[in-house]
Formats: sequence, structure tokens, C-alpha cells
Amino acid sequence: AQSVTQLDSHVSVSEGTPVLLRCNYSSSYSPSLFWYVQHPNKGLQLLLKYTSAATLVKGINGFEAEFKKSETSFHLTKPSAHMSDAAEYFCVVSGFGNEKLTFGTGTRLTIIP
Amino acid sequence: ETGVTQTPRHLVMGMTNKKSLKCEQHLGHNAMYWYKQSAKKPLELMFVYNFKEQTENNSVPSRFSPECPNSSHLFLHLHTLQPEDSALYLCASSQEGRENAEAFFGQGTRLTVV
Repeated sequence: AQSVTQLDSHVSVSEGTPVLLRCNYSSSYSPSLFWYVQHPNKGLQLLLKYTSAATLVKGINGFEAEFKKSETSFHLTKPSAHMSDAAEYFCVVSGFGNEKLTFGTGTRLTIIP
Repeated sequence: ETGVTQTPRHLVMGMTNKKSLKCEQHLGHNAMYWYKQSAKKPLELMFVYNFKEQTENNSVPSRFSPECPNSSHLFLHLHTLQPEDSALYLCASSQEGRENAEAFFGQGTRLTVV
């Protein structure tokens, strides 16, 4: 069985300040982990994925995430928020293949000008 | 553009209507998915097709009927829907069997049932 918990349903940060979106997972397998972003009325776009090659994963738009097995966490960070980062972010875990993609409930990121 | 195209983008239908949602992927993937995204609810997996065969149906009501004629096309046929079926319906595709393969999503169809 696998599950993912996004610890904050809503995060607000000021433009130019760091972003931290938290995700904890549970998996019986060595997991694959992903972060997706969804802008209003759009589909989901892949930000980054963890493939076991490196624990620090760099994604698009300046985002990165660190896989910490001891803490079962995969938090998403960005050093400096931009207005265009305002969106919904989903943490996703899967076992082998993509049959069982399990989505978190999402974190809505608001950027304050 | 992710390589997954959904039509229409918006659909308003009455409870007695019959309509279909279409999804097409240009990525050469062998697995396709339908998800339902309702306000204030987690993303719900509805159906999974691998190599055109349905491998998962997550207790979806029979008023939703999927069809996968080939590995590039996926349909969701709708009939006698209820207002609570109003949601964003997302199609996705992936390469099943490849480790760490991500899913690629379409833009979604915003469905309103009146």
C-alpha cells in the first residue's frame, strides 16, 4: 500500500521569499515520487521527479525537492517566489509502473505582491 | 503542450443528454487514464487502460462508459449524469512498464451538468 500526505492545504508567501511545500509518503516499494503543478483551469504539468539517481532533484522554473528516506519526505522548495508560481501543487507517489499513481490532496500556493 | 489533447475544453449538458469526451495522445504511450477532479476533493482515478485493455475501474457509476479503440485514443461516454458529476475530467497517458515513468496530462474538460 502507498499513500502521500501534503501537510499544508494552503501556503502564502511574499514575492521574492522562499517557498516550502511539504510532502510525506508511505510506500511498500522503493517509491517513485513526483511533483506536479496545476494552474487555474489547466491540466497537471510535471515539475520534477525522483528516480533514485540523486536525492536532490532539480525541476523546472527553479523548483527542487529533496528525497529523505529516513523522514519519508519529499518537500518542494524554491529560493525566491515569483507571481507566476501561484498555482496548486500535487505530490504523487507510485510503485513500479504508473498503474498506482497516488495523489496528495494538493497545496494551493498564493504569492503576495 | 504536453502531447495529450482533450476535447472539448468545456461542456454543459443536461441530465438527459448523451455526450462524449475525447482524449488523444501523440507520445507513443501504451497506458491511458481518466481522472475526475472535483472542488475540494483529491484527484480520483476513474479508469486505466493498458494496451487498450481496461485494467482498472474504480467503482465508477455505469453512467460513465469508457472506450479505448487503440492505444492513442480514449473516450468517456456520458449519459444521464447528475449535477454532482460536474467536475474537471483529466486524461493522462504514460509508458507502462518503464520504471519511474511519469504521467502526462491533458488540459482537461470542464463539465457542468445542469
